[in-house]
Amino acid sequence: EIVLTQSPGTLSLSPGERATLSCRASQSVSSNYLAWYQQKPGQAPRLLIYGGSTRATGIPDRFSGSGSGTNFTLTISRLEPEDFAVYYCQQYIRSPDTFGQGTKLEIK
Amino acid sequence: EVQLVQSGAEVKKPGESLKISCKASGYRFTSYWIGWVRQMPGEGLESMGIIYPGDSDTRYSPSFQGQVTISVDKSISTAYLQWSSLKASDTAIYYCARLDSGSTSWSYYWGQGTVVTVSS
Repeated sequence: EIVLTQSPGTLSLSPGERATLSCRASQSVSSNYLAWYQQKPGQAPRLLIYGGSTRATGIPDRFSGSGSGTNFTLTISRLEPEDFAVYYCQQYIRSPDTFGQGTKLEIK
Repeated sequence: EVQLVQSGAEVKKPGESLKISCKASGYRFTSYWIGWVRQMPGEGLESMGIIYPGDSDTRYSPSFQGQVTISVDKSISTAYLQWSSLKASDTAIYYCARLDSGSTSWSYYWGQGTVVTVSS
């Protein structure tokens, strides 16, 4: 099973700032079989990025994904108030797919 | 419009059985894998298993093998997750999600979640 480790656990930033979230895999996630999700309290996860860097339908371009192999990054270029939430990465190259433990993005 | 609508919240006692549902609409149900994801209170997301409604091919994550049963009823475009004997540790929110590209995939469409509470 591929283990995903996200860092930091909590990120405290202000609206307008840039956010950089990390996801490290215990084995190579080749062909970028990696996705990012946003989850707000009381809501289902929302797909942001798949294939490592492809934005899902309706996702603003301030969200971008990058990386390869074992190191991946989600960047939010300029934080909006609605971006404060928990973010999860997911690998789906190997069954079972697995999620990272999450990064909580909170308002500073 | 693709929708996954899950059954309502459940409160059960340890040892009881339970079957929750996920009704799909807006797409060909038999053409996409459906997965179940657990979220324990205050915790992250865990994939439990997936099923292909076309032929009922089912695959479980190792942690959930033998603990739950995933099934479908194609005639009503509904997937199920069931327990034969609940434990307090089964208390969680359970989500169904459609896998968008094969059996190993991201998920754009999610159900709203079913809250399961197991308490004596």
